[in-house]
Amino acid sequence: NAGVTQTPKFQVLKTGQSMTLQCAQDMNHNSMYWYRQDPGMGLRLIYYSASEGTTDKGEVPNGYNVSRLNKREFSLRLESAAPSQTSVYFCASSDVGQHYGYTFGSGTRLTVV
Amino acid sequence: SQQGEEDPQALSIQEGENATMNCSYKTSINNLQWYRQNSGRGLVHLILIRSNEREKHSGRLRVTLDTSKKSSSLLITASRAADTASYFCATVGAGGTSYGKLTFGQGTILTVHP
Repeated sequence: NAGVTQTPKFQVLKTGQSMTLQCAQDMNHNSMYWYRQDPGMGLRLIYYSASEGTTDKGEVPNGYNVSRLNKREFSLRLESAAPSQTSVYFCASSDVGQHYGYTFGSGTRLTVV
Repeated sequence: SQQGEEDPQALSIQEGENATMNCSYKTSINNLQWYRQNSGRGLVHLILIRSNEREKHSGRLRVTLDTSKKSSSLLITASRAADTASYFCATVGAGGTSYGKLTFGQGTILTVHP
């Protein structure tokens, strides 16, 4: 099925550990995004990539890095995890003209202890 | 900061009733979108309305947009228990650095009782 695939689905990290969240889309979308969702809140943009080869900071980029590996893949890295990064992380992709909305992955639930 | 604010924060209705959720935003937009999120799942795109449109329909969904008031509403008619979910409005800014990026409201939790 076409869509956005995120791995892993669940992860528990100790404070200070690092990890990379993977995201891949097979819809030939140019733009990809990483959001975090905290309890009772909407989604906040961490980083986005308008097209292959470009990345930009969103609303809450501190403590994260991203890599747009190719048109399909956009990874999010936590270099030194902190409890404040406990959240659910969503990857999304969209076409250039924003005509049809975003397609979201199913999320990664991350707990930092 | 969040671009959209939604009202009410929670809504509880009986099956068959209509549900109306409202969204207000702060800056000029290119388009406004509504998403549904079932508990523990990802977001699903419901409908997109452009800044030059005033109303849009999709099945049991009706969305209105009033750019002069910077507000939108989502109406779900003849609700079903399966409509129980969180509903988010999200905006794409009109230009500059906000172009193409979705900014979300905090959502409305809808509960439809059988």
